[in-house]
Amino acid sequence: NAGVTQTPKFQVLKTGQSMTLQCAQDMNHEYMSWYRQDPGMGLRLIHYSVGAGITDQGEVPNGYNVSRSTTEDFPLRLLSAAPSQTSVYFCASSEFTSGDNEQFFGPGTRLTVL
Amino acid sequence: AQSVAQPEDQVNVAEGNPLTVKCTYSVSGNPYLFWYVQYPNRGLQFLLKYITGDNLVKGSYGFEAEFNKSQTSFHLKKPSALVSDSALYFCAVLGYNFNKFYFGSGTKLNVKP
Repeated sequence: NAGVTQTPKFQVLKTGQSMTLQCAQDMNHEYMSWYRQDPGMGLRLIHYSVGAGITDQGEVPNGYNVSRSTTEDFPLRLLSAAPSQTSVYFCASSEFTSGDNEQFFGPGTRLTVL
Repeated sequence: AQSVAQPEDQVNVAEGNPLTVKCTYSVSGNPYLFWYVQYPNRGLQFLLKYITGDNLVKGSYGFEAEFNKSQTSFHLKKPSALVSDSALYFCAVLGYNFNKFYFGSGTKLNVKP
């Protein structure tokens, strides 16, 4: 199994540009999530999904959109990039959020917005 | 509100000495607590979790954590540190609706030879 994969690994955008960060998992996990990691702030939840067709907001959803058309894929869209969105983005998945399942993380995407 | 706090940005320990990385939590109801480790330029890896039962939880790579309800703490411990344990450690709590994880700010562990 490849686990959780993310593309691209690095990206530089100009303010106002849009882009999609890709995330895929091959473990048939129901739960998927997106986090951003900023120095001194840990990981903050952006959006999550408990299954295909179901998404919801996390702590910091503004400026980001998600969709979940399949179990495997959970792309994150930046609508109009801003310098404040410069961060490292992690996608994660788990079998089921019953409270006792670990999350598996992708390798991350490092995004710089100029 | 659900939250965790990691009061130390950095912990330094000599190889072979015991280590402790601190975490305190604030939750509504029973806590579901986790520890993750992040090596440079990598994603997070699961170490251990507390759901219920024994207050001492054993996890990967010789790590363990002690749940203390009266002190609302979930400190990560290891009896004998290795240089290879040097990494960034995150404590996390699962929200009451089981859909959101809340992470601490992270503690950088430096183990010196």
